Amino acid sequence: SQQGEEDPQALSIQEGENATMNCSYKTSINNLQWYRQNSGRGLVHLILIRSNEREKHSGRLRVTLDTSKKSSSLLITASRAADTASYFCATDTGRRALTFGSGTRLQVQP
Amino acid sequence: EAGVAQSPRYKIIEKRQSVAFWCNPISGHATLYWYQQILGQGPKLLIQFQNNGVVDDSQLPKDRFSAERLKGVDSTLKIQPAKLEDSAVYLCASSTYKGGAYEQYFGPGTRLTVT
Repeated sequence: SQQGEEDPQALSIQEGENATMNCSYKTSINNLQWYRQNSGRGLVHLILIRSNEREKHSGRLRVTLDTSKKSSSLLITASRAADTASYFCATDTGRRALTFGSGTRLQVQP
Repeated sequence: EAGVAQSPRYKIIEKRQSVAFWCNPISGHATLYWYQQILGQGPKLLIQFQNNGVVDDSQLPKDRFSAERLKGVDSTLKIQPAKLEDSAVYLCASSTYKGGAYEQYFGPGTRLTVT
C-alpha cells in the first residue's frame, strides 16, 4: 500500500513561477524524502527532512514537515523548464525501505 | 563514485515467459532494494537485502518472483512466468547511512513490457 499521497496529481505553471506540492502520510516516520523522476529515468534524491525538523532548504527547494498533521510540502521557487518531472515524497518508518506516494507531475512551460 | 547499474534497460517478452534483471549497487552499500513502478504510480518495494540476507520480502509475489544477492554484492530479480500486469519499471537501489539517515541511490531501471 502507498503511505503517501501527493497533491495535486498534476501541476502546470509558467517558467519563473513557484511550484508547491503537498504530501500526506499515514504512520509515524523517521524522516521524509523528496525525489524527482524525469521521464524514463531513475529517481534522483532531492532533500531529506527528519521527523524533528520543521523546515529545510536546499538551493531553490524548500521543504516543510508537520508531523501533527502528517503532511509535508515541497516548494520549488523560480521554476525552470528543466524542473519538468514527476516529484515523489517517500517516508522512512524505520524499516530503511521507503514507501512512496503516487507523485505529482510538474510541467513548467517556457 | 559510480552509481547503481542495472541491465537490461528495456525488455519485451510474451506472457508466461521468464525474465531476469541484474543490479550492481554502489560499492560498499550493504543494503539493496528492488522496487516495482507501474506507470503512473510511485515505486513499491518488492524486496530488501542486507548484505546477502533478506530483510523484507513481504510484498514479493513469491509464486512467480524470486531474487537473490549472492556474495552480498550483485543481485538478480527473476519473474517466471510473467503476467501482463508485471509490465512496469523495475528499479534497484542501494543505501548507505549518511547524516543520521539511510539515503537511497537508484539505478536507471529496467522497463519491462509483457505482451
